[in-house]
Amino acid sequence: ETGVTQTPRHLVMGMTNKKSLKCEQHLGHNAMYWYKQSAKKPLELMFVYSLEERVENNSVPSRFSPECPNSSHLFLHLHTLQPEDSALYLCASSQLQGGYEQYFGPGTRLTVT
Amino acid sequence: EDQVTQSPEALRLQEGESSSLNCSYTVSGLRGLFWYRQDPGKGPEFLFTLYSAGEEKEKERLKATLTKKESFLHITAPKPEDSATYLCAVSGGNNRLAFGKGNQVVVIP
Repeated sequence: ETGVTQTPRHLVMGMTNKKSLKCEQHLGHNAMYWYKQSAKKPLELMFVYSLEERVENNSVPSRFSPECPNSSHLFLHLHTLQPEDSALYLCASSQLQGGYEQYFGPGTRLTVT
Repeated sequence: EDQVTQSPEALRLQEGESSSLNCSYTVSGLRGLFWYRQDPGKGPEFLFTLYSAGEEKEKERLKATLTKKESFLHITAPKPEDSATYLCAVSGGNNRLAFGKGNQVVVIP
């Protein structure tokens, strides 16, 4: 595996389900990110982890819960989601937080029914 | 708050018809301006980083330039495989990337 991988690629869940998104980076980076991408809107930053510490939570509802067990892995735990949470969820990594280019995974297309 | 505005929102080009995409930005302490390419249903693919006004970067048919207020992505003699959405982002003093909504480019054979 190379770059940034995400699983699953597609997910359909009901509003009462609990599921998790997984991200793994193979680039030796120290910062990881979760973004939400909705149609006709810019990418929205959700969470930032730097050196395995959460350094930013961008006013995200508590039904989204991130976890970073080590510098290569990032999870997004989902529970009691709403239909408006349907979107493409993207994971990214960079060498460090700040003016460094971020490399993105392929994304998870989430549909909440 | 850092802001990025991209224009035009959508662009249709004939194959071989060169054009430019615009990214206007306001940022407190520019640390970098980034261009990405995104194909439908996929994650953004990194293209270029520009750090200071006057800087230029090239890759195949793409050339990115930067001034103190805007960046341009020039597409020279585009081919159908250049069809994608091009995203511009800036990193400022808050260490975040602020993205624009993108330029959707379609190149017609």
